[in-house]
Amino acid sequence: DAGVIQSPRHEVTEMGQEVTLRCKPISGHNSLFWYRQTMMRGLELLIYFNNNVPIDDSGMPEDRFSAKMPNASFSTLKIQPSEPRDSAVYFCASRRDGNEKLFFGSGTQLSVL
Amino acid sequence: GIQVEQSPPDLILQEGANSTLRCNFSDSVNNLQWFHQNPWGQLINLFYIPSGTKQNGRLSATTVATERYSLLYISSSQTTDSGVYFCAVEFTGNTPLVFGKGTRLSVIA
Repeated sequence: DAGVIQSPRHEVTEMGQEVTLRCKPISGHNSLFWYRQTMMRGLELLIYFNNNVPIDDSGMPEDRFSAKMPNASFSTLKIQPSEPRDSAVYFCASRRDGNEKLFFGSGTQLSVL
Repeated sequence: GIQVEQSPPDLILQEGANSTLRCNFSDSVNNLQWFHQNPWGQLINLFYIPSGTKQNGRLSATTVATERYSLLYISSSQTTDSGVYFCAVEFTGNTPLVFGKGTRLSVIA
């Protein structure tokens, strides 16, 4: 299995631009999670999906952030417009339903100038 | 409120030494996992251990759910063990995994 696949690995953009991060979960996993990691706040859950349906988006910082999961093998996290304080590593993770191990992608390092 | 506390925050070991990392949590859990984030930023799942004891090579973990703590043991540490170790907990009631702030381990040769 290829694991959780995220793209791009690195993204550098200017303030005000739209940013789209992509994730392909492990085949057969039906829960998908987006986390953000910063030095100040550690690993924070932004949103998670179960069977493609958003279950909890209370961690999404503000309306500039949105996430979709149009099918079981693809999810996007969009920031529009981006701001310098959005700079962080964004991780996608997936797992099978129930109390199973969580597997992370390699992350997207986002820098907003 | 819901809390996951890890100790120590930082740890420096000589290669070959043993160590114990601790995770305290504030409420009953139905899922607890340990992760290692290597110096390149990758997060690797080490253990799924809501209760009991598991071993994997030089690593082992024990969770005592009734006393609300989990321990990660690293024996005969190697420089490749360096990185940050996270405990993540899913509290009863199906909240999503909440991560502690981690223990940063440096193993020096």
